Amino acid sequence: DAKTTQPPSMDCAEGRAANLPCNHSTISGNEYVYWYRQIHSQGPQYIIHGLKNNETNEMASLIITEDRKSSTLILPHATLRDTAVYYCIVMENYGQNFVFGPGTRLSVLP
Amino acid sequence: GAVVSQHPSWVICKSGTSVKIECRSLDFQATTMFWYRQFPKQSLMLMATSNEGSKATYEQGVEKDKFLINHASLTLSTLTVTSAHPEDSSFYICSAGQPNEKLFFGSGTQLSVL
Repeated sequence: DAKTTQPPSMDCAEGRAANLPCNHSTISGNEYVYWYRQIHSQGPQYIIHGLKNNETNEMASLIITEDRKSSTLILPHATLRDTAVYYCIVMENYGQNFVFGPGTRLSVLP
Repeated sequence: GAVVSQHPSWVICKSGTSVKIECRSLDFQATTMFWYRQFPKQSLMLMATSNEGSKATYEQGVEKDKFLINHASLTLSTLTVTSAHPEDSSFYICSAGQPNEKLFFGSGTQLSVL
């Protein structure tokens, strides 16, 4: 079973920030938080991952709470092409046996 | 960056025939690859772990004689759906990554069995 819970769906206006929450209350000390997204009929795409510090790359920012029981993925300026299902996964660093939950279906609206 | 290539993107076959799907790591060697299936509006479900040079490890409920996996080289894993039936129609996805690197996914194969 997936170790994370996410809202099933969210809407965001184009150009605004999209904030996608994830709860992982049973995360262990050596587990990282990974985010992937899946655009319709494609394979999942890596977005970002982190352990306890906040992370930022060209795609998104990841904010992890101090107790590490939850995190938020931030897409700073959402575009229509960001419409996808976003998966939050906890895994030992660079582990490969991912277990996918249902994810959050983000709809970016014009 | 590392890329995983999957072929074909889609395939239509008649019931009772077999279909082979290929997964290649293009610029790295992968001793382990993973195969997932995904039904419409559902999440990815891990089917099996493909191990180079040895037998694949199947998840509970996945028939190993139905879904044959071959990982004969460090850059290629194949999934063969044998005697396909309409209920095998699904989106099949592979993944691979280098040790201590993030995981990459193929673009997926949509299988439709008539």
